[in-house]
Amino acid sequence: DTGVSQDPRHKITKRGQNVTFRCDPISEHNRLYWYRQTLGQGPEFLTYFQNEAQLEKSRLLSDRFSAERPKGSFSTLEIQRTEQGDSAMYLCASNGQGGTIGETQYFGPGTRLLVL
Amino acid sequence: DAKTTQPTSMDCAEGRAANLPCNHSTISGNEYVYWYRQIHSQGPQYIIHGLKNNETNEMASLIITEDRKSSTLILPHATLRDTAVYYCIVSAQGGSEKLVFGKGTKLTVNP
Repeated sequence: DTGVSQDPRHKITKRGQNVTFRCDPISEHNRLYWYRQTLGQGPEFLTYFQNEAQLEKSRLLSDRFSAERPKGSFSTLEIQRTEQGDSAMYLCASNGQGGTIGETQYFGPGTRLLVL
Repeated sequence: DAKTTQPTSMDCAEGRAANLPCNHSTISGNEYVYWYRQIHSQGPQYIIHGLKNNETNEMASLIITEDRKSSTLILPHATLRDTAVYYCIVSAQGGSEKLVFGKGTKLTVNP
């Protein structure tokens, strides 16, 4: 078990470009979460999946953001027409069976996005 | 919004116990207290959680007051590697729902 992995670790893009991030959860985990963290703030929830179903989306997830988890394994987060305000660390987390009270979330190392 | 209040920063001497407080005066009966920490430029790391009783694991101890309105995370022998931002979170479903993070406490362990 190598933990949650995210790719790329760093991304620099120009305003208006599209970017896509990938998250590979721990293999047996069926719940996957995306968070965003800006400088000096704690992580903020964006969305989560149980298997391939996207169960909740934050109002932070504007129309320019889309997340998928097509086969219930890895997930992608795409940002279209990036803006400078999208610059942040994007974190992915996963956990196992869902519905289990007290179950912890395991976080990946994050993807740091800088929009110029 | 986060349901917890934590000091912005704390300092601790290496080898001493670090006691990090958290207020959660509006906690509901079914809500757990979770602690995570985030070392610079890494993802958050789970430390410990509890409902009513005090808890201990290999990383830390969690002391919850009897009225459950506050708690303290104790790192018994802090090391330089414990320098991090520590987040206290209350959650009814634990890891099965989104976690709502506040700004946390920046703990600096000094040599």
